[in-house]
Amino acid sequence: AQSVTQLDSQVPVFEEAPVELRCNYSSSVSVYLFWYVQYPNQGLQLLLKYLSGSTLVKGINGFEAEFNKSQTSFHLRKPSVHISDTAEYFCAVTLNTGFQKLVFGTGTRLLVSP
Amino acid sequence: GAGVSQSPSNKVTEKGKDVELRCDPISGHTALYWYRQRLGQGLEFLIYFQGNSAPDKSGLPSDRFSAERTGESVSTLTIQRTQQEDSAVYLCASSLDRTMWETQYFGPGTRLLVL
Repeated sequence: AQSVTQLDSQVPVFEEAPVELRCNYSSSVSVYLFWYVQYPNQGLQLLLKYLSGSTLVKGINGFEAEFNKSQTSFHLRKPSVHISDTAEYFCAVTLNTGFQKLVFGTGTRLLVSP
Repeated sequence: GAGVSQSPSNKVTEKGKDVELRCDPISGHTALYWYRQRLGQGLEFLIYFQGNSAPDKSGLPSDRFSAERTGESVSTLTIQRTQQEDSAVYLCASSLDRTMWETQYFGPGTRLLVL
């Protein structure tokens, strides 16, 4: 079975600093990878996804992620964060089972302070 | 347009009672998913609907959990004889179809507390 590990439960960072949120997955077969964001008091929203092709994926709000098959990682990055990026970020993976059966990590809370 | 809606937003119940959670997907979305999020944990897949059939209900934790969907519309998740370990946020998502490149749109969730 697949699993997703987000080692950092919380990442504090100052405004305008760069940030990387780590995600590792375990699977011996091809997977599809997603990052979702949950802003306070809102539902989950898709940030970006990797299905195939270029390993560098760009998403909304200036975020990007890089798929690294050899390291089974899909880390999320942003070169300069804003206060409004404060949220919970979830990494998810699915096999091609015929539908998106997402397996989620436990989430990383990004705290951006002035 | 309208997003995915869920009701109630909060539900407090006593152990042993039955509860029914409702999900209204985005109009025209054929795929619908239920997830559970326990405190401090990631989302767990519960069940997937394509239209009104459920090809994968492998995530339902026990036979106390059941779900149905009317056509390509409303879905209800029913938990019978609730237990304290059922306390969680129950999230519903819908997508245009089941393919890998379609986005799942999530509702705000129903927070269930079993006393």
